[in-house]
Amino acid sequence: GQSLEQPSEVTAVEGAIVQINCTYQTSGFYGLSWYQQHDGGAPTFLSYNALDGLEETGRFSSFLSRSDSYGYLLLQELQMKDSASYFCAVRNRGSTLGRLYFGRGTQLTVWP
Amino acid sequence: NAGVMQNPRHLVRRRGQEARLRCSPMKGHSHVYWYRQLPEEGLKFMVYLQKENIIDESGMPKERFSAEFPKEGPSILRIQQVVRGDSAAYFCASSPDESSSYEQYFGPGTRLTVT
Repeated sequence: GQSLEQPSEVTAVEGAIVQINCTYQTSGFYGLSWYQQHDGGAPTFLSYNALDGLEETGRFSSFLSRSDSYGYLLLQELQMKDSASYFCAVRNRGSTLGRLYFGRGTQLTVWP
Repeated sequence: NAGVMQNPRHLVRRRGQEARLRCSPMKGHSHVYWYRQLPEEGLKFMVYLQKENIIDESGMPKERFSAEFPKEGPSILRIQQVVRGDSAAYFCASSPDESSSYEQYFGPGTRLTVT
């Protein structure tokens, strides 16, 4: 089966940097995606890593280490609007690639 | 608005009734995914469909649940004889193909309440 672990809550202040970790156990790992969800609204895609290393997209970056079964999402220059839930999700070769397995999410609270 | 559309946004059903949830994917997208989310939890995959085909239904309960994506019209998730445990938010997502399915575009969800 698949399991993903991420912290349930993280807090930080405006302007700070925060890192949300995700460790996974899955057979046939293919890639790791990150999604943001505000107050139960539509999840929105942030980033994807299929290979080791860092992917940078504006204030957000995502990192993957396949050998450690570990990834993280880095949020820089935090803003109040970044307060949301963040989910990591894996794809694996053992099932259809369209099937994403989501973690339980990390609730980020940004304080002024 | 060319985004993923879902309706209704809120649905209340009594135990034993049927619930029909509709999803229109983004323009140009032919792959649709349905997920279920309980409060404070992640999204749980239910079913993956392409036009007129069910690609993967391994996450969907075998009884009472069915899904379709006809050649014309929206994808429909159907729950028969609903029970209180079916109360949840149901999200659909779409992508243009399977290779890019790491980036799925989600709709606003349907909140189903079973009384």
